[in-house]
Amino acid sequence: DQQVKQNSPSLSVQEGRISILNCDYTNSMFDYFLWYKKYPAEGPTFLISISSIKDKNEDGRFTVFLNKSAKHLSLHIVPSQPGDSAVYFCAASDNYGQNFVFGPGTRLSVLP
Amino acid sequence: GAGVSQSPSNKVTEKGKDVELRCDPISGHTALYWYRQRLGQGLEFLIYFQGNSAPDKSGLPSDRFSAERTGESVSTLTIQRTQQEDSAVYLCASSPIPQGAVGMNTEAFFGQGTRLTVV
Repeated sequence: DQQVKQNSPSLSVQEGRISILNCDYTNSMFDYFLWYKKYPAEGPTFLISISSIKDKNEDGRFTVFLNKSAKHLSLHIVPSQPGDSAVYFCAASDNYGQNFVFGPGTRLSVLP
Repeated sequence: GAGVSQSPSNKVTEKGKDVELRCDPISGHTALYWYRQRLGQGLEFLIYFQGNSAPDKSGLPSDRFSAERTGESVSTLTIQRTQQEDSAVYLCASSPIPQGAVGMNTEAFFGQGTRLTVV
C-alpha cells in the first residue's frame, strides 16, 4: 500500500519546454514534501521542498506546487535542460520529522 | 568529506554468505535511514534510527536483515545468508532533526550507496 505515488514511471520532454512531474499521497498526516533527483550510480540529492502551510515554492527553474485538498503535488521545471535528465523521487514526512516516505520515482528524459 | 559516507561502494558476494554494509552519517545528524533500490524500482524503506529511541524496523524485509547504530554515529546494516533477491543498491541517509522536534522540517542527505550483487 503505497503512501506516496508517482504514477508516471517515465517522461520525455523537449529541451526548453516545461517538465511536469506529479506525485500523490494518501496519508493526511504528511505535511512536508520534498523532491530528490537521482543520477545513475549516485545517491539521491535534494532538489526542493514545500511545507503544507504553502501552496507554492520556487527555486530558479524549479517550482513545486502543493494541493492539500487533493493530496497532490507537482514539480515544474522550466525551461528543461538535458542535464535535468534523471530519476525524480517525491518524498513526504510528517510534522514530527519522522521517516521520509519515498515514491517510486519518475525517469525524466530531456531531449536536445 | 562532510557528506554521508558509505562503504564498500560495491560488494559482490556468494549466495548464502553474510555481508555488512557501513554508513557514516554527517556529524551531528541525529536521524539515520537505510533504504534500498532494486533495479528499476523506487526507494524502499528499511530501517530508521532517531537518537536514543528504539529504531523503526518496520521496513526490514526478513529476519536475515538487521542494523545497528552506535550512538549518533556509524551504522551497519547486516544481511545474513544472502539471497539473489537481496541484490540492490543500499542507500543510507541522515538528517539533523532532533528527537521529538515538532515543526522542524529538513531534508535527508544521502550517501552514494553500496551496490550489492549476490551471485
